[in-house]
Amino acid sequence: DIQMTQSPSSLSASVGDRVTITCRASQGISNYLAWFQQKPGKAPKSLIYAASSLQSGVPSKFSGSGSGTDFTLTISSLQPEDFATYYCQQYNSYPTLTFGGGTKVEIK
Amino acid sequence: QVQLVQSGAEVKKPGASVKVSCKASGYTFTSYGISWVRQAPGQGLEWMGWISAYNGNTNYAQKLQGRVTMTTDTSTSTAYMELRSLRSDDTAVYYCARAGDYESPDPWGQGTLVTVSS
Repeated sequence: DIQMTQSPSSLSASVGDRVTITCRASQGISNYLAWFQQKPGKAPKSLIYAASSLQSGVPSKFSGSGSGTDFTLTISSLQPEDFATYYCQQYNSYPTLTFGGGTKVEIK
Repeated sequence: QVQLVQSGAEVKKPGASVKVSCKASGYTFTSYGISWVRQAPGQGLEWMGWISAYNGNTNYAQKLQGRVTMTTDTSTSTAYMELRSLRSDDTAVYYCARAGDYESPDPWGQGTLVTVSS
């Protein structure tokens, strides 16, 4: 089974900061990697698919990169509405999915 | 717009079963699958399984094999997830999500809280 390891598990940042979250797959997954944002009490919301493609309606401050085993999600300028938990997910082994453990982004 | 609407919260006793529904609208139901994901309180996301709305093929997470059954009703564009022999650690929010072939699941339903307590 493919394992997904996210880091860090949590981070504190200020409004306006540039934030980077990393995700590593236990084996190569090409670009079958998605990023989700989840706010408390809400369903996950898709931000990025195919490692670097922005979902419709998602602001361009979010960007993704990587291929193979190493991926990153970058938020270029953190805003108050961006404080949430972020998950990576691989779908190379579709229909089986695997999620990373999550990264909680908190206000410093 | 594409939308998935799930059934309401449930409270069940240990050993009972629960069946959660997920009604799809805004797209051709049989052109996609449905993935089910759950999230225990304060925990991360756990994939439970997938069903093809086209032919009913299923793929379940190994840890749930034998306790979970996923079905669809194409006449009402509704997917169902039944979990049997409930235990306290099955307490979670259960989500459905539309799943295209080799696509990330999107969108997601609003979630259904299932509480297992004696």
